[in-house]
Amino acid sequence: GESVGLHLPTLSVQEGDNSIINCAYSNSASDYFIWYKQESGKGPQFIIDIRSNMDKRQGQRVTVLLNKTVKHLSLQIAATQPGDSAVYFCAENTDPGSARQLTFGSGTQLTVLP
Amino acid sequence: DAGVTQSPTHLIKTRGQQVTLRCSPISGHKSVSWYQQVLGQGPQFIFQYYEKEERGRGNFPDRFSARQFPNYSSELNVNALLLGDSALYLCASSLLSGAGGELFFGEGSRLTVL
Repeated sequence: GESVGLHLPTLSVQEGDNSIINCAYSNSASDYFIWYKQESGKGPQFIIDIRSNMDKRQGQRVTVLLNKTVKHLSLQIAATQPGDSAVYFCAENTDPGSARQLTFGSGTQLTVLP
Repeated sequence: DAGVTQSPTHLIKTRGQQVTLRCSPISGHKSVSWYQQVLGQGPQFIFQYYEKEERGRGNFPDRFSARQFPNYSSELNVNALLLGDSALYLCASSLLSGAGGELFFGEGSRLTVL
């Protein structure tokens, strides 16, 4: 079936460096993508979203890039901080008529090293 | 303002029992979605309710049911529990039924089935 997947299950970066988390999706009909951050023992927290009619969207210290040609999504975190350590999920909306039904990837564990 | 609240936070059941999980959305939010998150995986969509009507159902057996009340709170029921039902059950609310806008997650109810 259709699914969202992540290239790397873990990522370690030095504090202050930039982080890039990648995600591949397989449903070309998906029109809305979201990145979530989940800290241990907590629910997922919205980071940033992007619609399929956009290639790039920026937030505070975060940027999401969407490449529809190769069905690839990435999350860039600038000047990574210890508080950024968490599991990051990409999610896609595969049914625009019944949105809020997101398909999540399996997640990438980001560890920020001092 | 209170976020999405879920109860209970933790519970232990035995195989064959039934469980009811509760969710109160953010004030003003009319859409409630339920997700199951097995340890080490991303959340998986179970149900969405909007204005007390079911708007979508994921690939879960009929043992799973849900409802939304006039005050927009929601309950998720699981009958005849199996060991594989052990997971974190997440509730999420949003203003809209469709795509766009932020989906706010609660901290979840962690169910252990023995």
